[in-house]
Amino acid sequence: GDSVTQMEGPVTLSEEAFLTINCTYTATGYPSLFWYVQYPGEGLQLLLKATKADDKGSNKGFEATYRKETTSFHLEKGSVQVSDSAVYFCALSSPDTGRRALTFGSGTRLQVQP
Amino acid sequence: DSGVTQTPKHLITATGQRVTLRCSPRSGDLSVYWYQQSLDQGLQFLIQYYNGEERAKGNILERFSAQQFPDLHSELNLSSLELGDSALYFCASSPEDTFNEKLFFGSGTQLSVL
Repeated sequence: GDSVTQMEGPVTLSEEAFLTINCTYTATGYPSLFWYVQYPGEGLQLLLKATKADDKGSNKGFEATYRKETTSFHLEKGSVQVSDSAVYFCALSSPDTGRRALTFGSGTRLQVQP
Repeated sequence: DSGVTQTPKHLITATGQRVTLRCSPRSGDLSVYWYQQSLDQGLQFLIQYYNGEERAKGNILERFSAQQFPDLHSELNLSSLELGDSALYFCASSPEDTFNEKLFFGSGTQLSVL
């Protein structure tokens, strides 16, 4: 079945540091890929998405590129802020499920220190 | 604010009991999804309804059931509760049956089974 593997956290960075959170996936067909962010006490919010190979999703300084050859969708940001502290989830939706359900990774907690 | 309302925010109950979690989707959204977030299983898709009809089922236990009413709100019923059912239950909504855009998540109901 479909699965998403993320790097374990927590990831602790200083403000203005470069961020990479690794995500790889296993799926049949051509899934759509997503990054969601969860701030403390809140529900998940879509951060960015990519629906086909080589697409780059971007939002709020975050970027991720859909790499079919390496089945990866790594999240990057050039300069993190304290306000970026949250849990980040990589997810996919598969055409096999009619794109109805998201399969999530385990989440990576990011802590940014001033 | 995502526009998705979940009640109650917190629920404490005992093993063997039954509880009902409620979700009101964003105005105009016809699809409602239920997800369970636990420390050991991560975020797991439970079930989806679209305009009152069940459309997809994930890892939902037989002790759990859901429905979507004509006014589009949804309820998740959990019965014969066990300690392992303690988790954060999220509801999400989207305007479509199959989504390629994004889900809007509520802030969740924290269930504690003692």
